[in-house]
Amino acid sequence: SYELTQPPSVSVSPGQTARITCSGDALPKQYAYWYQQKPGQAPVLVIYKDSERPSGIPERFSGSSSGTTVTLTISGVQAEDEADYYCQSADSSGTFVVFGGGTKLTVL
Amino acid sequence: QVQLVQSGAEVKKPGASVKVSCKASGYTFTSYDINWVRQATGQGLEWMGWMNPNSGNTGYAQKFQGRVTMTRNTSISTAYMELSSLRSEDTAVYYCARSIAAAGIGADYWGQGTLVTVSS
Repeated sequence: SYELTQPPSVSVSPGQTARITCSGDALPKQYAYWYQQKPGQAPVLVIYKDSERPSGIPERFSGSSSGTTVTLTISGVQAEDEADYYCQSADSSGTFVVFGGGTKLTVL
Repeated sequence: QVQLVQSGAEVKKPGASVKVSCKASGYTFTSYDINWVRQATGQGLEWMGWMNPNSGNTGYAQKFQGRVTMTRNTSISTAYMELSSLRSEDTAVYYCARSIAAAGIGADYWGQGTLVTVSS
């Protein structure tokens, strides 16, 4: 079955840049989506189609893609950005959707 | 405004079935796929499948094929997810979400979640 791989944790100080990666063999063919989830809350879409930002999402959130890896970048991290982040994509056929294992972002 | 409102918490015994509802408002229900995602306590998100409310077409994750059924009632803008042969590992919060792309990917609006507890 298809898998997306994320680092379990990333730590940054306020004001620094956080980068969270997601790797998968089908990412050159399939778009990636990124979600932010805070404790006790439903996920929130922060990036769609690799690099598009939904309305209402701060400009400090951006996404990029290179080969089999996509990256969520949070510039000028704020305390409120501390959360779990999940990537989502599909296998090469587009049949099966998967989430990455999630990355816990800690703001020091 | 777009809203997805799910049914309340459920407690089920192993081997039973559960049916969770998801009522949509604020948009045309038949214009967007609905997908279902679950999350066990302290664990990650797990995609279960999608349903097209217009056609009724569905696609299920391999792990749940044969145990999950996704349906809808367009007259009341409500989607349903039924999971059968429940076991303790199915204890989780179940979310419905509106897809912005085909086949259950990219969810821009989510329900509040429904806790399903499976316990004898």
